[in-house]
Amino acid sequence: TQLLEQSPQFLSIQEGENLTVYCNSSSVFSSLQWYRQEPGEGPVLLVTVVTGGEVKKLKRLTFQFGDARKDSSLHITAAQPGDTGLYLCAGNNAGNMLTFGGGTRLMVKP
Amino acid sequence: GAVVSQHPSWVICKSGTSVKIECRSLDFQATTMFWYRQFPKQSLMLMATSNEGSKATYEQGVEKDKFLINHASLTLSTLTVTSAHPEDSSFYICSATPGGPDSYEQYFGPGTRLTVT
Repeated sequence: TQLLEQSPQFLSIQEGENLTVYCNSSSVFSSLQWYRQEPGEGPVLLVTVVTGGEVKKLKRLTFQFGDARKDSSLHITAAQPGDTGLYLCAGNNAGNMLTFGGGTRLMVKP
Repeated sequence: GAVVSQHPSWVICKSGTSVKIECRSLDFQATTMFWYRQFPKQSLMLMATSNEGSKATYEQGVEKDKFLINHASLTLSTLTVTSAHPEDSSFYICSATPGGPDSYEQYFGPGTRLTVT
């Protein structure tokens, strides 16, 4: 069974602060996705990383895929209240099935 | 592009009745759709993988006779919760993959909140 561990599980910060969410596994994934989910809604795909060592930026969000494709991180610069939500990482290996991490619940206070 | 809808968005039913939830890919064809269940403040738990024209593959611990899945077309999959009980109350989310078997990106529907009284 492939497991993805996310940390921290919960993060409460002030507007303007930076933060990093980690997603770790002992398994290798062919790709990894990051999603953001708001209460009562489905997850929305933020980014897909495929290549080991890959770095992708989406405005204030920076995503990195580990060299060995076993881990990933999401860094948010100058967090805003609109960034509040549940962040999920999900790894893909066998075909198109995803293994989800436990999620990181982020709250950004104004 | 890659929009997935679910209907209904929320439903309340009485214990013992059945509820059908629809998942549609609006602007692409999806040979594979997935059904997830999510409890409050938790991550998504995969229930089953639905392939068009064939039987769904259920994850361990998921009762296939209770959660009936039908993927009758390339744009529609349905999940029927049969003889619902209060413990079936949850947030059910579907996703769809626009590509072939090697496509890895999933696009999620907005979810259906089921409350069984």
